[in-house]
Amino acid sequence: QVQLQESGPGLVKPSETLSLTCTVSGDSISSYFWSWIRQPPGKGLEWIGYISYSGGTNYNPSLKSRVTLSVDTSKSQVSLRLSSVTAADTAVYYCAGVVERRYFDSWGQGTLVTVSS
Amino acid sequence: DIQMTQSPSSVSASVGDRVTITCRASQGISSWLAWYQQKPGKAPRLLIQAASTSQSGVPSRFSGSGSGTDFTLSISSLQPEDFATYYCQQGNSFPFTFGGGTKVEIK
Repeated sequence: QVQLQESGPGLVKPSETLSLTCTVSGDSISSYFWSWIRQPPGKGLEWIGYISYSGGTNYNPSLKSRVTLSVDTSKSQVSLRLSSVTAADTAVYYCAGVVERRYFDSWGQGTLVTVSS
Repeated sequence: DIQMTQSPSSVSASVGDRVTITCRASQGISSWLAWYQQKPGKAPRLLIQAASTSQSGVPSRFSGSGSGTDFTLSISSLQPEDFATYYCQQGNSFPFTFGGGTKVEIK
């Protein structure tokens, strides 16, 4: 069973770049596609984008101009960068393993990122 | 984007009750639909994919049905551990989108 662990700063200043890493263990990173999903406090889920083990990506158009996903197979890590953040980007950020290239069957525990000066 | 609308947004029910949650897509998505369960402070858990295929380990009281634009998640006999928020998600086309959630509360 694959395990996912998100890590990164819990506080980011407005206009700066949010950077998170998801470390994959228990299975090969090349076995899955990987997604990032976020959830503002008390609200619903928003899909950010996904990346294949070979680096192919697909992003949510609402975030596309600010998002970059990358994968480092040597470190078994998937990374998220979100630039020019505002308070609206405050959320719990989850990484998730994608099955059938469309469903999220394994999740990290999530990490809360607060955007504030 | 495909909009996913869940109803009701919340439901109060007792242990042993049957609960049905509805999810409607703004356009046809075939059977490319998943259901997730989320408990407070936890990550979502995939319950059902492809509208009606249960994940391994999911109790048989959970079932999904539907195709096209209208889908349902049913819990046949609500158990204490089922009190949670449930989300539908379409996997038909990018960007993947979720419903707004249905909170199942104790009556």
